[in-house]
Amino acid sequence: GENVEQHPSTLSVQEGDSAVIKCTYSDSASNYFPWYKQELGKRPQLIIDIRSNVGEKKDQRIAVTLNKTAKHFSLHITETQPEDSAVYFCAAARDYGGSQGNLIFGKGTKLSVKP
Amino acid sequence: ETGVTQSPTHLIKTRGQQVTLRCSSQSGHNTVSWYQQALGQGPQFIFQYYREEENGRGNFPPRFSGLQFPNYSSELNVNALELDDSALYLCASSYLGELFFGEGSRLTVL
Repeated sequence: GENVEQHPSTLSVQEGDSAVIKCTYSDSASNYFPWYKQELGKRPQLIIDIRSNVGEKKDQRIAVTLNKTAKHFSLHITETQPEDSAVYFCAAARDYGGSQGNLIFGKGTKLSVKP
Repeated sequence: ETGVTQSPTHLIKTRGQQVTLRCSSQSGHNTVSWYQQALGQGPQFIFQYYREEENGRGNFPPRFSGLQFPNYSSELNVNALELDDSALYLCASSYLGELFFGEGSRLTVL
């Protein structure tokens, strides 16, 4: 079955610096790769996603890159702010016509942004 | 606000008991999935329902079962509770290519 590895498990940066979180996946049939932000005691919230027909996607300070050949994808946060502090999860799934219920998650990265 | 609501938000059970967790999603969200998130871990896929039928299951024993109803609500049932079942249980509905999570039900098994 699919396995998703995520690194690092913790990441501490100064406000204004960039943060990069990396994930690898095992199932070459996976074609949907979302990233979630989870604050303490809250539900995971989708922050950005990418499908295998593109290599990069940006949304303001957040970007995701995908390398299908190497089976890895990364989250890049620029100009970090203290409110970016949270646990970030990557996930992978086979997307069947818009249904991505079967997400396989990484173990998470706890990001701390110091003011 | 995702339009996905779960109940109860917190509950405590003892080993061997049974529990039912409930989820309600928006009209038109035909797919619902359930995840278990242990403390400090990523969510783990339990199973998925589409139009009231299970159409995918993760590595969970049969004592984890579910139902989906025509009114876009669903249930997760866990029998013979074990200590390791203590976790946050998340319900998620899928619509137009996006997954919407509820706030979760935190189950503690003593």
